[in-house]
Amino acid sequence: QVTLKESGPVLVKPTETLTLTCTVSGFSLSNARMGVSWIRQPPGKALEWLAHIFSNDEKSYSTSLKSRLTISKDTSKSQVVLTMTNMDPVDTATYYCARIQTQWLLRWFDPWGQGTLVTVSS
Amino acid sequence: SSELTQDPAVSVALGQTVRITCQGDSLRSYYASWYQQKPGQAPVLVIYGKNNRPSGIPDRFSGSSSGNTASLTITGAQAEDEADYYCNSRDSSGNLVVFGGGTKLTVL
Repeated sequence: QVTLKESGPVLVKPTETLTLTCTVSGFSLSNARMGVSWIRQPPGKALEWLAHIFSNDEKSYSTSLKSRLTISKDTSKSQVVLTMTNMDPVDTATYYCARIQTQWLLRWFDPWGQGTLVTVSS
Repeated sequence: SSELTQDPAVSVALGQTVRITCQGDSLRSYYASWYQQKPGQAPVLVIYGKNNRPSGIPDRFSGSSSGNTASLTITGAQAEDEADYYCNSRDSSGNLVVFGGGTKLTVL
């Protein structure tokens, strides 16, 4: 059974850096055509893709947030880490990690972690 | 454009068929995937690619695509299908990912 679980702070202050960890089980971060994505959802709003990292260490970032995001993985620990700098109250959201799979014309997310709500407030 | 557009809300009578659409330039080149999200829960994949259902997803869910529009069809909608539905695809460059704004489905 494939599972992902997010961990990190529930509250961060404006201008601080957020560090989130996704711990996966049931698959390896070295599996071809698989990786882990981070996706967030502000309260009552839509999903927003943030970043992903594949087994070959290919990384991609949302164009609008690229300057603030860093994604990395530790295959031996089955963990993917996302850092987001200079946090602002508008970054308050539930942050999900999800396994991403890719084929020539397609990328899809399955399964998703339960999500972790991060609030940005002083 | 790297955007995907969905109708904000759609309703369907119990047992009837409903189509939820997703429009965007990237869909001319790439397939969409669809996710169901119920309140307080993480999204769940219901359709990916041309018309693939993960195990455990009822066969009343199906997908299709034409031009710049992808569609999710629920044939014989059930009360438990009431949820938000999101589409996603690769963006026009192929390197990134985009999500639609979501459609709230109400089953009457």
